[in-house]
Amino acid sequence: GEDVEQSLFLSVREGDSSVINCTYTDSSSTYLYWYKQEPGAGLQLLTYIFSNMDMKQDQRLTVLLNKKDKHLSLRIADTQTGDSAIYFCAESSGYSTLTFGKGTMLLVSP
Amino acid sequence: DTEVTQTPKHLVMGMTNKKSLKCEQHMGHRAMYWYKQKAKKPPELMFVYSYEKLSINESVPSRFSPECPNSSLLNLHLHALQPEDSALYLCASSQGVGEGETQYFGPGTRLLVL
Repeated sequence: GEDVEQSLFLSVREGDSSVINCTYTDSSSTYLYWYKQEPGAGLQLLTYIFSNMDMKQDQRLTVLLNKKDKHLSLRIADTQTGDSAIYFCAESSGYSTLTFGKGTMLLVSP
Repeated sequence: DTEVTQTPKHLVMGMTNKKSLKCEQHMGHRAMYWYKQKAKKPPELMFVYSYEKLSINESVPSRFSPECPNSSLLNLHLHALQPEDSALYLCASSQGVGEGETQYFGPGTRLLVL
C-alpha cells in the first residue's frame, strides 16, 4: 500500500531557510501536495507539484521532486515565526484519495 | 475564492445527544469530503460525496451519518457518540473526484464528547 514518511520535527532560526523532506512509496503518484496546519486550524494548501516536474517555485516556497528516489522537499526561504506550524506532505494516486504523511512540526525561533 | 466554511467551530456534546456539523463551499466544486483528525495525527478520510451522491464510506460507524442536501452543502449528523470520537472534523472540497483534484479544507469543527 501507499506510504508517506516525513521527519517529525524541525527547528530553525528566523531568517534561515527551512527544508522539510518527504518520501513516498507509490510510484504511480501523479500529484504531490504540501499543506500547512497552524494550531487549532484546518489545513491550508501551500503548493503542489505534478509528477512530471522537477521543481516548482512560488514566492518563498520551492518544491523539489526526485521521482527516481520518490523524494519530495519543501524549502521555505527567509523563514518567519508565522511559518511555525505542522506541514503535511500528501500524495494523490487514486480516486479522491490523499495519503498524508504524519506531519513535520516546524518551530521558528526569533 | 478558495474558502470552505464550517460551523460550529467548537462543539461539546454528551453521549446521548444528537448534533450536526455543517460545511459549505461556493466554489462550484462537485466533490466534498469529511475527515477526522486526532491530535498530532494526519487527517483520516471518512466520506466522499461526488455530485451529491455518497461515493466513498471508509467503514465509518453508523453513529456518523453524512448528508449532502445540495452541491454547496455537506452535513455530518452525530448520534450516540463515544468519548474516543472527540477530534477535529475537517471538511474539504474539490472540483471533481479524479486523480489530482486539489482538495481545499475548511477550518474544522473541534468536537468534544463527554
